Amino acid sequence: GENVEQHPSTLSVQEGDSAVIKCTYSDSASNYFPWYKQELGKRPQLIIDIRSNVGEKKDQRIAVTLNKTAKHFSLHITETQPEDSAVYFCAASRGSYIPTFGRGTSLIVHP
Amino acid sequence: EPEVTQTPSHQVTQMGQEVILRCVPISNHLYFYWYRQILGQKVEFLVSFYNNEISEKSEIFDDQFSVERPDGSNFTLKIRSTKLEDSAMYFCASSPLAGEVELFFGEGSRLTVL
Repeated sequence: GENVEQHPSTLSVQEGDSAVIKCTYSDSASNYFPWYKQELGKRPQLIIDIRSNVGEKKDQRIAVTLNKTAKHFSLHITETQPEDSAVYFCAASRGSYIPTFGRGTSLIVHP
Repeated sequence: EPEVTQTPSHQVTQMGQEVILRCVPISNHLYFYWYRQILGQKVEFLVSFYNNEISEKSEIFDDQFSVERPDGSNFTLKIRSTKLEDSAMYFCASSPLAGEVELFFGEGSRLTVL
């Protein structure tokens, strides 16, 4: 089955800096890669996703890149703000298969 | 905006006791899921449910686990005889379709087994 590895487990940045979270996956047939954000005490929520037919997708300060050859994808957050502090989960899936999640990255943005 | 709701938010139980975690998925969703996250570890898939039956389950979902949709709104996870290692955050999720779609999560039920 699919295996998703996520790094780093904790990321601490200063407000205004950029943050990058990286994930690798094992199943070359995976073609859907969502990212979820979980603020403290709240539910995980989808913030962005990418499908295998594109290499990059942007939504304001958030971008995701995908390298299918290397089987890795990354979340980029620019101009970080304290409200970006949360746990971020990457996931990978294909077709109707259940998504496999990474371990999560705790992002801390210091004011 | 519709949300998935879970109860209880936190449950403490003694080893060997039965626990039922409850979820109310979003009303027009057809696919329901349970995930768990042991502290500091990955979010792990347990089971998916569609059309009143289990559609997929992981190795974790052994005979001590069961799921049920007892009525038109609730979706429950039962752990028959809890073990210490069952201590985790349990997330319910639902989606309108299967596969490459957003999962809508509940806020989780934290289970502590003593």
